[in-house]
Amino acid sequence: EVQLVESGGGFVKPGGSLRLSCAVSGFTFSNAWMSWVRLAPGKGLEWVGRIKSKADDGTTEYPAPVKGRFTISRDDSENTLYLQMNSLKTEDTAVYYCARGVGVLDYWGQGTLVTVSS
Amino acid sequence: DIVMTQSPDSLVVSLGERATINCKSSQSVLYSSNNKNYLAWYQQKPGQPPKLLIYWASTRQSGVPDRFSGSGSGTDFTLTISGLQAEDVAVYYCQQYYTFLTFGGGTKVEIK
Repeated sequence: EVQLVESGGGFVKPGGSLRLSCAVSGFTFSNAWMSWVRLAPGKGLEWVGRIKSKADDGTTEYPAPVKGRFTISRDDSENTLYLQMNSLKTEDTAVYYCARGVGVLDYWGQGTLVTVSS
Repeated sequence: DIVMTQSPDSLVVSLGERATINCKSSQSVLYSSNNKNYLAWYQQKPGQPPKLLIYWASTRQSGVPDRFSGSGSGTDFTLTISGLQAEDVAVYYCQQYYTFLTFGGGTKVEIK
């Protein structure tokens, strides 16, 4: 059974940092391209970034609102995906989901809530 | 960036009736070399993660009931729920994956 389990969410002040984790099981993580997507209160889904498998050069891509502040990485030996979030803003408040894929997202975690507030 | 615009924002439909959701992209998501539309649809119920329903604009994901269907090409797409069931109450999103990923604003479907 495919499972993705996010952790690391919480409360942080503006300007602070947080690292989210996504533990994966049920498929060969090292071959998978992965993404992060968020859902802010009262808003729609927003793509946060993606990472290719290391075999496909492991590159990352980000949309403008988070580029330079967020970094996606992976530890294939631990079957874990990470999202390092720096210089957090109140508008980053959202539930953050990890998902398998970089185009079509076929499996999703349950999400972890990040609240950025003073 | 490709902007995805959904309509309507919300929809109230009787049980057993048809629900139609529209999605328009600011530029074509049809890749000419393979004639595929890089467009997916997701369903999100309260407190749950999104669930993939449709990809390549009209291919149903495994396990998705056949009352869900997708159509369209280029810049205009439609998700149709034929015979709405109570468990279909959710927010539905279109998403392009032609260039990076962008989602539509969502359409909330409720029962009349």
